[in-house]
Amino acid sequence: DAGVIQSPRHEVTEMGQEVTLRCKPISGHDYLFWYRQTMMRGLELLIYFNNNVPIDDSGMPEDRFSAKMPNASFSTLKIQPSEPRDSAVYFCASSPGGDYGYTFGSGTRLTVV
Amino acid sequence: RKEVEQDPGPFNVPEGATVAFNCTYSNSASQSFFWYRQDCRKEPKLLMSVYSSGNEDGRFTAQLNRASQYISLLIRDSKLSDSATYLCVVNGGGADGLTFGKGTHLIIQP
Repeated sequence: DAGVIQSPRHEVTEMGQEVTLRCKPISGHDYLFWYRQTMMRGLELLIYFNNNVPIDDSGMPEDRFSAKMPNASFSTLKIQPSEPRDSAVYFCASSPGGDYGYTFGSGTRLTVV
Repeated sequence: RKEVEQDPGPFNVPEGATVAFNCTYSNSASQSFFWYRQDCRKEPKLLMSVYSSGNEDGRFTAQLNRASQYISLLIRDSKLSDSATYLCVVNGGGADGLTFGKGTHLIIQP
């Protein structure tokens, strides 16, 4: 398996622009998670899905953030409009559930200028 | 959201030494526990699960103390390649998902 695949690896955008991050989970994993990592706050859970259904989006910072999972093999995280404080590394992870850990993608390093 | 606390370090340790980290968690209902390793500018990767009876994987030993709500990681005969950030991870149970500590930064010096 190729693991969790994220794109793009790096994104630099101007404040106010829309940003879309993409994730392909490991086939057969029922859970998909979006995390954000910064030096100050560490890894923060933004939202997670079970069988394509959003379960907990309480970590989504505000209405500018939205996430979708239209099918079992694809998810997007969108920020519109983007702000400099959104600059961070965004990780997608998937899991088969139970007591198994998560497998992370390589992350998207977002810089909003 | 429930918290997981770790000493951020850095821990500067000579090669070959033994080093241990602790981590405390606040949710007494937590059901599963893990240690992840994260290299600079890389994604976190699962190092090992932590079981109630304690478990060992080569040079690495993990322990869980439910009464005191902490878990530990012991690294024996440390190698230069062990230099990384070690993340303590707790599953709060239910729909909470995994909660990550901010990590302990370990530097193994030659």
